[in-house]
This record gives sequence, C-alpha cells and structure tokens, in this order.
Amino acid sequence: EDQVTQSPEALRLQEGESSSLNCSYTVSGLRGLFWYRQDPGKGPEFLFTLYSAGEEKEKERLKATLTKKESFLHITAPKPEDSATYLCAVQAPLTQGGSEKLVFGKGTKLTVNP
Amino acid sequence: GAVVSQHPSWVICKSGTSVKIECRSLDFQATTMFWYRQFPKQSLMLMATSNEGSKATYEQGVEKDKFLINHASLTLSTLTVTSAHPEDSSFYICSGTAGGGGTDTQYFGPGTRLTVL
Repeated sequence: EDQVTQSPEALRLQEGESSSLNCSYTVSGLRGLFWYRQDPGKGPEFLFTLYSAGEEKEKERLKATLTKKESFLHITAPKPEDSATYLCAVQAPLTQGGSEKLVFGKGTKLTVNP
Repeated sequence: GAVVSQHPSWVICKSGTSVKIECRSLDFQATTMFWYRQFPKQSLMLMATSNEGSKATYEQGVEKDKFLINHASLTLSTLTVTSAHPEDSSFYICSGTAGGGGTDTQYFGPGTRLTVL
C-alpha cells in the first residue's frame, strides 16, 4: 500500500531560523512527488513537483529535494507569512488507468514566530 | 493561471437533506477532477475521480449512491451529498488537472465547509 509519512507533525521556528521538513514515502512506481502549502480553512496551494531522485526545485525561501525514499522541504530564513501546513503527496498509477491519484501525508504545521 | 473555484464556501444543512457543491476550473479545461474530504487535523482523503462525460470512479469505502458526482463539462464538476447526516460534516475540496494522464499537477479549489445539524 502506498504510504506517505511527514515529520515533524508540527514545527515552531523563530523568524530567520532555517530548517527542513521531511516526507518519507513508499509507493510502487513513483510518477511524481508534490509539495503543497495549505492555510487554515483553504485548499492546498501548489508549490513543487519532483520527478526523479536528485532533482531540486526552488521558490523564494523554499527548496525541495528528492531521493529514492524521501523528500525534504528546506526553508531558509523563514518569515511569519511562511506559517502554514505543508503537505507532501505522491502520485501513483490508478489501477484502471487515466490520471493518477495523489496520496497525501498528514502534513507538517509550521509556525514562524516574529 | 490554474484557478479552481468552489461554491458555496460553506453550508449548513439539516440532517436528511441534500447539498450540492460546485467545482469550476476558471482558466483551464479540467479533463479530470478529483473530490477530497478532509477532517480536522487529518490529511486529504480522495473520495472519487471523475473524467468529463464519464462516470466517476469512487475510492474504496465511499458510497457512490450517497456522494453523487457529475462532471458534465470540462470546467464544471458537482458533488451532491444526499441525505446528509452529521457524520458527513467535513471540509470538501476539489481539484482539477488539465491533461489526460501522466504527472499532471492537481490544482485545488478553496474548499467547502459542510456542517450537518
């Protein structure tokens, strides 16, 4: 069964204090790994897609990396506005074909204090 | 680009009534749309996948007669919760992809908070 485990569940940082979020996964035939940001009461906002081990992508203070077993979301010098829940999801093939579904982790709730 | 809207953003209904939630892709044609449910402090759980013009594919444990999904056009999908009960109270989120397969990015709507009294 495809599984996604994110750690830590919650993380508190001071503004400017860099850190990393972890996403470990087991999936048969990874087609893509996705990072989303979700604010309270809102839908997830797309951040990155990673396709193969060794790939890295950056956006402002965020950088996502991928290995064969896990992905990291590195946050450099975070600001209070980076506070949100960060979701990791893997894309695995549907048994009946068509677009592949996403399997989500439970997320890491990040709080950045000023 | 890749904006998805949902309507209503929240709804309160009495037990036994039906509620319809609309999901629209505003600036792209969503060949596939997905419906998720999210309980407090839990992750998104896929309920069903629908392709335009065909029947939805439901995940194991999701009652297809209770959660009716219609994907009548490339920009609109609807989820109807029939005979809603308090345990159906949740945050319902839809997403859409522009392609027909492969590693297409899912773009999510803002969600609909359903409360059943």
